[in-house]
Formats: sequence, C-alpha cells, structure tokens
Amino acid sequence: GAVVSQHPSRVICKSGTSVKIECRSLDFQATTMFWYRQFPKKSLMLMATSNEGSKATYEQGVEKDKFLINHASLTLSTLTVTSAHPEDSSFYICSANRGFDTDTQYFGPGTRLTVL
Amino acid sequence: SQQGEEDPQALSIQEGENATMNCSYKTSINNLQWYRQNSGRGLVHLILIRSNEREKHSGRLRVTLDTSKKSSSLLITASRAADTASYFCATDASPEGAQKLVFGQGTRLTINP
Repeated sequence: GAVVSQHPSRVICKSGTSVKIECRSLDFQATTMFWYRQFPKKSLMLMATSNEGSKATYEQGVEKDKFLINHASLTLSTLTVTSAHPEDSSFYICSANRGFDTDTQYFGPGTRLTVL
Repeated sequence: SQQGEEDPQALSIQEGENATMNCSYKTSINNLQWYRQNSGRGLVHLILIRSNEREKHSGRLRVTLDTSKKSSSLLITASRAADTASYFCATDASPEGAQKLVFGQGTRLTINP
C-alpha cells in the first residue's frame, strides 16, 4: 500500500507555456501532499506544502504565482508551472502522507520537465 | 540553510562489502529518515528513526542516531549490485504535524560486481 503516482513522467514544452503535473495517492487518502524540486545530481528542495481544501504553504523564495498548487481532493494535488522558462527545467517530485501514519512520506516517481 | 550534510558524497565498493554513509544536521529534530533514489526515479523510504531512538534495523540496513552529535549513519551490510543508488537523509524539525523534510545532499553509492 501507500502508492503515489505522478503524471506525466516527463514533459517537454516551449518557453512561455504552462505545464500541469498531477500527483495522486492511489490507495490512501492524503491529508497533506508536498512538492519538491530536484536539480541534476542535487538534493530535493521543498517547494510547498499542500493541504486538501486549503491554500498551499510555500517555502521562502518559491513564487506562488509561478508554481500554482491545487489540492482539490484527498487523493489529488496538482502543480502548474505557469509561463515556463528554461530555468524551470527540473525534476519535480511529490509526496504524500496518510494522516494516521504521519511520520512517513510516500514519494511519487517524479516528473522530468524540460523547457525549450 | 540546508539541514543535512552527507558524507561521503560518493562511495564505490565491491559487492559483498559493507557501506556506511553519514549524515549531520544542525538543529533539534523530531525524526530522521533515510531514502534511496535510483537514477531519475522517485524516492523510496528506507527507515525512520525518532529523536528518542539510538539504533534501528531493517533487513540489511542499520541506522544509528546520535542527537548529542547531531549525526546519523546508515550501514548497508553485504552490499549487492542492486543497492547502487543515491541515498539521502532527511530531517523533520518542524512543529508537530508540519512534517517538513529537509534533505541532505546525498551519497552516490556504487556497488561493483
């Protein structure tokens, strides 16, 4: 149990377009989801915390208007990279916790975004 | 600032040998977690150790935590080629319920057959 999926797994887009990435908890309800960004051969950096039905909490330095997060249900959170630019190219990973097992985050497989 | 620092950054050993990775952090924590990441993939949760615990085992994994030194180690015994991956420590120092994880830079482990 505790499977998290992401879609798409990779996306290539032109500069100026917007890209939506979905994060789903497949076999549990996720009260909280997290979005991370990872540069090549680097660590993960937390971008924002997403709670179902409320606004996301963004980490310092993350532009909320650039990275729109919606957590519409207990199994789905979306990250939209608006007006993407080449510097937004990265590996985006989401994670989720089940609520009762609050210490463990279950990670999705990640989405590779390439902005041309 | 980055909470976790890992050492070494890269480690290459022969299959069958033990691999030890270290993680240091700066502030008091609720728990520390170790994750594995295969190239270009998501993270797999390996083990969680709470601040009041000193050692945990899971299969071939052994994790220690020294809160006085603000450090942790991950030992993989009898390594296998399939253990080749990057290993990250992550600390949760957030207020109860927030669960914000701060990741270390990771150790790239290569197991040579």
